[in-house]
Amino acid sequence: AQSVTQLDSQVPVFEEAPVELRCNYSSSVSVYLFWYVQYPNQGLQLLLKYLSGSTLVESINGFEAEFNKSQTSFHLRKPSVHISDTAEYFCAVMKGGSEKLVFGKGTKLTVNP
Amino acid sequence: DAMVIQNPRYQVTQFGKPVTLSCSQTLNHNVMYWYQQKSSQAPKLLFHYYDKDFNNEADTPDNFQSRRPNTSFCFLDIRSPGLGDAAMYLCATSRDLSSGDKNIQYFGAGTRLSVL
Repeated sequence: AQSVTQLDSQVPVFEEAPVELRCNYSSSVSVYLFWYVQYPNQGLQLLLKYLSGSTLVESINGFEAEFNKSQTSFHLRKPSVHISDTAEYFCAVMKGGSEKLVFGKGTKLTVNP
Repeated sequence: DAMVIQNPRYQVTQFGKPVTLSCSQTLNHNVMYWYQQKSSQAPKLLFHYYDKDFNNEADTPDNFQSRRPNTSFCFLDIRSPGLGDAAMYLCATSRDLSSGDKNIQYFGAGTRLSVL
């Protein structure tokens, strides 16, 4: 069965600092990878996805993630965070041919002034 | 405009009193999912519908049931809620696997269930 590991449960950073949220997944022949963001008392919003093609994917609000097949990783990065980025971030994997998502346990990002 | 709508946003029920949570979608997606998310945990898939085909996860308790009367609506029924069922319940939808967007799931805002 697929599994996703987010090693950091909480990441506190100062505003305008860079941040990396780590995500590793168990290996499979083909996978699709996602990052979702969840603001307090809200549902999950898709932040970015890797389906195929370029291994570097970007979101409209400055986040990016790189699919690294050899290291089975899909780390999320932002060069300069804002207070509004404070939220919980979930990495998720979908095995090719499946309609099921498997989520990591989430990382709470807190951006302090 | 919200595309996956969950009602109510907050639900309080009593121990053992049946409760129904609802989800509707305007996306005309084939697949609808129900997840349970407890505090500080990842969402856990309870079951999903592929059109009218119901797919239950092996570890979903019998206490949880679902109905999908049509494409747009899906309901989560908890027959006898226990204290341990207090959680956020998330509904999601996706197209089928033959679509170009590879089954991306779109989530509603969730219903937070409290059990007294």
